[in-house]
This record gives sequence, C-alpha cells and structure tokens, in this order.
Amino acid sequence: DTAVSQTPKYLVTQMGNDKSIKCEQNLGHDTMYWYKQDSKKFLKIMFSYNNKELIINETVPNRFSPKSPDKAHLNLHINSLELGDSAVYFCASSQGTTGELFFGEGSRLTVL
Amino acid sequence: GEDVEQSLFLSVREGDSSVINCTYTDSSSTYLYWYKQEPGAGLQLLTYIFSNMDMKQDQRLTVLLNKKDKHLSLRIADTQTGDSAIYFCAESSGGYQKVTFGTGTKLQVIP
Repeated sequence: DTAVSQTPKYLVTQMGNDKSIKCEQNLGHDTMYWYKQDSKKFLKIMFSYNNKELIINETVPNRFSPKSPDKAHLNLHINSLELGDSAVYFCASSQGTTGELFFGEGSRLTVL
Repeated sequence: GEDVEQSLFLSVREGDSSVINCTYTDSSSTYLYWYKQEPGAGLQLLTYIFSNMDMKQDQRLTVLLNKKDKHLSLRIADTQTGDSAIYFCAESSGGYQKVTFGTGTKLQVIP
C-alpha cells in the first residue's frame, strides 16, 4: 500500500500547454508539500499546505497553482508550460514536530 | 536565507567506511536529517538528529553534529553496493517549517 502516491509518473508535453499532477497520501498526515528537483538533483520547496491551508509559498511563478481539496490530497496545476519547468516534481507529507518528510516517487515532467 | 552545502561526489570501496559531510548556515535549525535517494525514486529518511545532540548511532549509520561549526556528517560503516545512492543533508526548525535540502552527495560503491 503506497503511502504517498503521485500521478502521472511521467509527463511529456509541449510548451504552452497546461498540465496537472496529483498527489494523495494515506498516512493521515496534516501537512503536504510540493518539491521541485532539477537536472542537477537540487531539491527546492515550492508549496506546503497544513490542513488544506497554504502555509509555505516560495518564490514560484504564478503559473503554478496548488490545490488541496482535503488534507489527504494536494494537486499541482501548471499553466503555459515552459522549457525550464522540466524537472521531477515530488510530493511529500509530514506529521508532528520532527519535520520528517515522506516522499512520493516523483513525477518527471518533460516540456518540449 | 538558509544554505546547506555538500560535496557532490564520493567514491569508496565495498567494505570501507564512507563519510559524507554537510555544512549549514541557519543557527536556528532544530532538526538535521539525512535522506537517501535511489535512482528513479523519492527520498527516504535515513536518520535525523536533534540539535542538542552531538552524536546518534543507528546500526551502520553514525551521525555527528558540530553545532558550533554548523557541520553535520554521516558515516556508513562497512559500505555495501546497495548503499550507492544520492545522500541529502537537510535542516529545519521542526513541525511544518520549511525543510531545506543540501545539494546532495552521490555515493559510488566500487565492488
């Protein structure tokens, strides 16, 4: 039973398109995140939600819009895709005070 | 802002010990972590240390923290080929505060 699952795992699309990545966690955690990992493996936080409320919003273009319909789901919608959006996007969740993150397997987005 | 630095690459022979180093800048860090990422997978927490500790041991893993120098290390004893992966150091102030990751160290284990 996968704890944090993301779909799709791979996404190839043309520049200018709009796409979404979905994330679900069955751990009962209150907090969910989106991270972006670039081609050099550098991992940077994009957004964080706690109980459906946005609590971290890093400097991310407003073409990226997260949505949390409930605390088990956090989706990421990207408008007008650009070449530089090509990356692996990781969803994660956490609970409690230690900040331990549980990651999904990632969604590899390739923009042509 | 916070900054977490690691060397990019480490190569060791199977059976030797590996030591991966990390430096961070945020003096308010409460928790420091080591994550492992295998190819094509997400990150997995290996261990973490609370900032008031200076050492933590968990089977083959030993974490050392020098809070004065803001230096964290991960020692893997008897390194195996299955330990080949990218290792990320990370820090946070706990709770749902932002976890900041280092640049990652690719560990290559030579049989």
